[in-house]
Amino acid sequence: RKEVEQDPGPFNVPEGATVAFNCTYSNSASQSFFWYRQDCRKEPKLLMSVYSSGNEDGRFTAQLNRASQYISLLIRDSKLSDSATYLCVVIYGNQFYFGTGTSLTVIP
Amino acid sequence: DAGVIQSPRHEVTEMGQEVTLRCKPISGHDYLFWYRQTMMRGLELLIYFNNNVPIDDSGMPEDRFSAKMPNASFSTLKIQPSEPRDSAVYFCASSLLGDTNYGYTFGSGTRLTVV
Repeated sequence: RKEVEQDPGPFNVPEGATVAFNCTYSNSASQSFFWYRQDCRKEPKLLMSVYSSGNEDGRFTAQLNRASQYISLLIRDSKLSDSATYLCVVIYGNQFYFGTGTSLTVIP
Repeated sequence: DAGVIQSPRHEVTEMGQEVTLRCKPISGHDYLFWYRQTMMRGLELLIYFNNNVPIDDSGMPEDRFSAKMPNASFSTLKIQPSEPRDSAVYFCASSLLGDTNYGYTFGSGTRLTVV
């Protein structure tokens, strides 16, 4: 079983829609969690950390559910510029474990 | 800070040739990671260093791959001899793991094509 699993998508949503991605992790002792964004032919860039109490950054909300071992990313009022691949990252010990990414395309 | 700097940005080489990829981490970061990304396998961790010491190289595909970090500001990933299946984007990333709120910072990557 992989350490981190994501639905690869693709998710194709209209502008203005709300979209949510989930990411499950296998190790209950995982310590830290992040969402990264990767644009086509670019490097992954940190989007936001995921805190136990949940956190929001503008149109983006990240949540952690330790009981069910998943993290989520909610994007409200989708913009064309949100089109990218979203990678979840789970830290256990000294290791960063990346999901394979979820592809999002926002359609005009 | 200039971020993580990788060179070259693109490399095209013939099968059998030696390839050397370079990385300069962010100053003060104590962890350095080498990743490979392909469409089929996504991001794969190859090796990582802590304070210039290799900690885990279990992701290095085979003996043709080697990595070094002679000092805190420089690392290399070498492939010798290169094969077409090595074609991928190779990312270097650095981290100050003691502050996990900030995650990794990636370099722009080296796009390697072996023909």
